[in-house]
Order: sequence, then structure tokens, then C-alpha cells
Amino acid sequence: GDSVTQMEGPVTLSEEAFLTINCTYTATGYPSLFWYVQYPGEGLQLLLKATKADDKGSNKGFEATYRKETTSFHLEKGSVQVSDSAVYFCALSGGSGGYQKVTFGTGTKLQVIP
Amino acid sequence: EAQVTQNPRYLITVTGKKLTVTCSQNMNHEYMSWYRQDPGLGLRQIYYSMNVEVTDKGDVPEGYKVSRKEKRNFPLILESPSPNQTSLYFCASSSGGQGFEAFFGQGTRLTVV
Repeated sequence: GDSVTQMEGPVTLSEEAFLTINCTYTATGYPSLFWYVQYPGEGLQLLLKATKADDKGSNKGFEATYRKETTSFHLEKGSVQVSDSAVYFCALSGGSGGYQKVTFGTGTKLQVIP
Repeated sequence: EAQVTQNPRYLITVTGKKLTVTCSQNMNHEYMSWYRQDPGLGLRQIYYSMNVEVTDKGDVPEGYKVSRKEKRNFPLILESPSPNQTSLYFCASSSGGQGFEAFFGQGTRLTVV
């Protein structure tokens, strides 16, 4: 079946540091890839997405590129802020389970300190 | 405002006492699903529904029931809750199809004692 692997957290960075959160996936076919963010006490919300190979998703200074050759979708941001502190989930849909099946990674907690 | 509404937000109950967590969306989405979130395990899908009267099991359906009698509502039913069902539960809806994002509710924190 499909699976998503994220780097273990928590990740602690100083404000304005560069962020990378690694994500790799295993899936059949041509899945869509997503990054969701969960702020404390809230539900998940979409951060960015990519639907085909070499697509780059971007939002709020975050970016991720769909790399089919390395089955990866790493999240990056050039300069993090305290307000970026949250849990980040990599996810895919459209693999062996179809588009109704979303498979999530385990989440990576990011803490940004002033 | 487009939203997915879950109730209650917090619930403490005793083993074996039937409970229902409600979920409602106002976006006319066909696809709805339930997840549970546990530390170190991420989100795991419990059940999903592709339309009214169409439901199917996700990855961890044991001990749960769902129904989809109306397009906007998708309640999660625990007929006989057990302590291993203590978790954070999320309802989500989407239009379905390639690349369509899921919209999540605020979550329901359930404790079964």
C-alpha cells in the first residue's frame, strides 16, 4: 500500500533560519502530494500541493517540489518566523487507494525560537 | 464561511457507553472522512464516504460505525467505546478528485475511562 515517511521531530530553529523538512513517499500510479499544517488546538489546513512530477507548490514562503525520480516532496522555507511553529504533515492521495484515500506521514513538529 | 463543524470538541466518557460525534460541512462536498490522530502515528483514516449512502472502511475501522444519510452530515458512532479509542478525531471533506484539498474540522478530543 501507499506510505509517507517524514523526518522525525521536533525540529527547533532560531528565527530567520532556513527550514527543510524531508518527506518521501511510496505509491503506485501518479499521486498528488500535499503539505498540511496544524497549529496548536486546531485542525489541519492545506499549506501547499503539487499534482504532477516537477510541479512546485508554494504558499506563505514555503515551497516543495514533486520529485518523482527520488519519490520526494521536501518542504523548505528560507527564513522561518515564530508564527511558523506548528506540526507539519506530508500527505498523498491518488495512489493505490484512489483519490478518496489520503495517506499522511506522522507529522513533524517545528518550534521556532526568537 | 466554508467550514467543517465537529461536535463536541471535548468528551470524556466511560467504557461501553455509546456515543456519537457529529460532523457537518457547508461546502456541498461529496467526499467526507474520519481520521484519528495519535502521537507518533500521524493521522489514520477510520471511514470515508464518497456520497450519500456510500461508505467504506479506512485503515482502522474496528470499533467504529458511520452513516451518510445526508450529503452535509457524516456522524461517527462508537457503539461500545474502549480506552484504546482515546484519541483526537478529525472529520474532513473534499470535492474529491486529483489534487483537491481536504478541509478539516477543529477536532474532537475523546477520552474513554
